[in-house]
Amino acid sequence: AQSVTQLDSHVSVSEGTPVLLRCNYSSSYSPSLFWYVQHPNKGLQLLLKYTSAATLVKGINGFEAEFKKSETSFHLTKPSAHMSDAAEYFCVVSGTSASSYKLIFGSGTRLLVRP
Amino acid sequence: DAGVTQSPTHLIKTRGQQVTLRCSPKSGHDTVSWYQQALGQGPQFIFQYYEEEERQRGNFPDRFSGHQFPNYSSELNVNALLLGDSALYLCASSLLAGNEQFFGPGTRLTVL
Repeated sequence: AQSVTQLDSHVSVSEGTPVLLRCNYSSSYSPSLFWYVQHPNKGLQLLLKYTSAATLVKGINGFEAEFKKSETSFHLTKPSAHMSDAAEYFCVVSGTSASSYKLIFGSGTRLLVRP
Repeated sequence: DAGVTQSPTHLIKTRGQQVTLRCSPKSGHDTVSWYQQALGQGPQFIFQYYEEEERQRGNFPDRFSGHQFPNYSSELNVNALLLGDSALYLCASSLLAGNEQFFGPGTRLTVL
């Protein structure tokens, strides 16, 4: 079965320090991978996506993620956290078979940013 | 250019009732997917519509049904509501099934 595991339910960082949100996936196909962010009472916004091009993917708001096939990981990073980054982050896998287009979400990581 | 819109924003129903949620896709998009997000969890795929047909379905009972109209808008219907159906229901649209999905703000359903 295809799935995605977010290794931390909560991550707390100080403003200005680096952010690391961890994600592992399992798929027997060549998946597409995404990170979405959800601010309170708002919809999901796409941060970045990997679709078998460059393994280092740059997204919006200074976020980036590296696809590592050998480790089946797709961790999200940002060099310096901002207060506005506080939100719920979801690692997502799609295209887990030739005819499957549904998005499979991880359980989410809540990012807290301390002043 | 309007993004994905959903109505209503909030809804309160009682057990056993039926509910209809509506979604208008982003301009130019032809595919609509529905997701259920329970409190504290990630969204779960319900089904996807393309060319007015259900293209793919997740692990949800037949109480959950949908429809896509010729203008690509979509409805999600849930019959015989259970307390466990309380959740945020998200609609996402895309141009063709395999492309990036854009999400609406969701409909918060509370079942009492």
